[in-house]
Amino acid sequence: NAGVTQTPKFQVLKTGQSMTLQCAQDMNHEYMSWYRQDPGMGLRLIHYSVGAGITDQGEVPNGYNVSRSTTEDFPLRLLSAAPSQTSVYFCASSGVRTGSPYEQYFGPGTRLTVT
Amino acid sequence: GQSLEQPSEVTAVEGAIVQINCTYQTSGFYGLSWYQQHDGGAPTFLSYNALDGLEETGRFSSFLSRSDSYGYLLLQELQMKDSASYFCAADTGRRALTFGSGTRLQVQP
Repeated sequence: NAGVTQTPKFQVLKTGQSMTLQCAQDMNHEYMSWYRQDPGMGLRLIHYSVGAGITDQGEVPNGYNVSRSTTEDFPLRLLSAAPSQTSVYFCASSGVRTGSPYEQYFGPGTRLTVT
Repeated sequence: GQSLEQPSEVTAVEGAIVQINCTYQTSGFYGLSWYQQHDGGAPTFLSYNALDGLEETGRFSSFLSRSDSYGYLLLQELQMKDSASYFCAADTGRRALTFGSGTRLQVQP
C-alpha cells in the first residue's frame, strides 16, 4: 500500500500560470479532501469529495477546481496562480468500509511557490 | 462560521504531562479529532472523540465535553520526539475537517 501520494513535491509558478496538483490513494477510500497550510497556521479546507462524481466546496475554494472521476484520484487545479496561493497543499482520504471515517490519511504535501 | 481555539505554544520537560486545550464553535458537530505534525511533515491521526469522556491510546488521551464545546489532548511521559505541532479538528459531518491553528509543543530535556 502506497497510501496517499501527491505529485509534484515542489513547484514554482509564475503569476497567471495554471497547473494541476495530483493526488491518488490506493486504500479504496470514499472520502478525499484538499487542504492548504500557510506558515504557522492550521489547515484550511479547499474542496472535498464524498465519492466518485461528487465534489463540494470547503472554506477557501476560490481559484481552485477539482473533479473526481475515479475513486482513486482527486486532482486539484489552480486556474490562474496568484502569490496568495503560495502554500503547502495536502491531500487526505478516509473511508467508512476500510477503516475509521474520522481517521484521515494525509499525503506528503506539495510545496507551491507563486512568484 | 466555524472556529477552533487552542494555545499557540506550550513548553514542557521530558517525562512531564502536558494538556492542550481546544474550544470550538461550529455549525454542526459530530466529533473532535487530534492530529500531530512534525516540522516539514504531514499531519498524522492521534485520536477521535464522538462522545463525552476520555479516550486513552497509550501515552496519549483525549477528552471531549459537548456541553462545554471543549476538548483536550493529554500527553504523558513526554519524550523529545513529541516535540511537534498538535491540531484539534472538528468533524462537522462533511467527512472533511475544520482545523484549529495548532499548538506548538516544545519538549525540553
